[in-house]
Amino acid sequence: AQSVTQLDSHVSVSEGTPVLLRCNYSSSYSPSLFWYVQHPNKGLQLLLKYTSAATLVKGINGFEAEFKKSETSFHLTKPSAHMSDAAEYFCVVSQEGRRALTFGSGTRLQVQP
Amino acid sequence: DTGVSQNPRHKITKRGQNVTFRCDPISEHNRLYWYRQTLGQGPEFLTYFQNEAQLEKSRLLSDRFSAERPKGSFSTLEIQRTEQGDSAMYLCASSPIPTSTVPEQYFGPGTRLTVT
Repeated sequence: AQSVTQLDSHVSVSEGTPVLLRCNYSSSYSPSLFWYVQHPNKGLQLLLKYTSAATLVKGINGFEAEFKKSETSFHLTKPSAHMSDAAEYFCVVSQEGRRALTFGSGTRLQVQP
Repeated sequence: DTGVSQNPRHKITKRGQNVTFRCDPISEHNRLYWYRQTLGQGPEFLTYFQNEAQLEKSRLLSDRFSAERPKGSFSTLEIQRTEQGDSAMYLCASSPIPTSTVPEQYFGPGTRLTVT
């Protein structure tokens, strides 16, 4: 079975400060991991994905995530938050051979001016 | 716009009525997925098509739910005898057949269903 746990339901940062959104995964096999972002009234957008190549993955809009097998973690970071980053972020896992994505419960990121 | 489209965007219906949603995937994508997202939760997988074949169904997909993709292009999701618990955002996604890695899924804007 596969699952993801997003450790924080809400994160609030000030504009210009670093962002850290935490995700732990559970998977029986080598997982593929994704981060998606959902802005209000918009569809889910892929930020980045890990598929067993480089453990540090760079995504769009300055986001990156590091796959740590020993810690079963895939945390999302950004050096400097922007107001437009305010949204819901989902950590997602998929296993080879399965088509379904398994989503975490989401982390709402607030960016204060 | 060549992304995934869904219609209608919003649907309000009375308990017991039937509703049907449509999804048009990205044209060259062979795979199509339906998910359901309730307030404050991440999307949950419902079902998956490769071309016109429905290859996987979640246990969430009760016998009141049926999905089709008759010609391997657009898909419909029908809910019969709606219940208040069916109120949710219904998301459609599509992806190409992968060559070597798990392909990302591209999501539509969703159809928000409210059952009164």
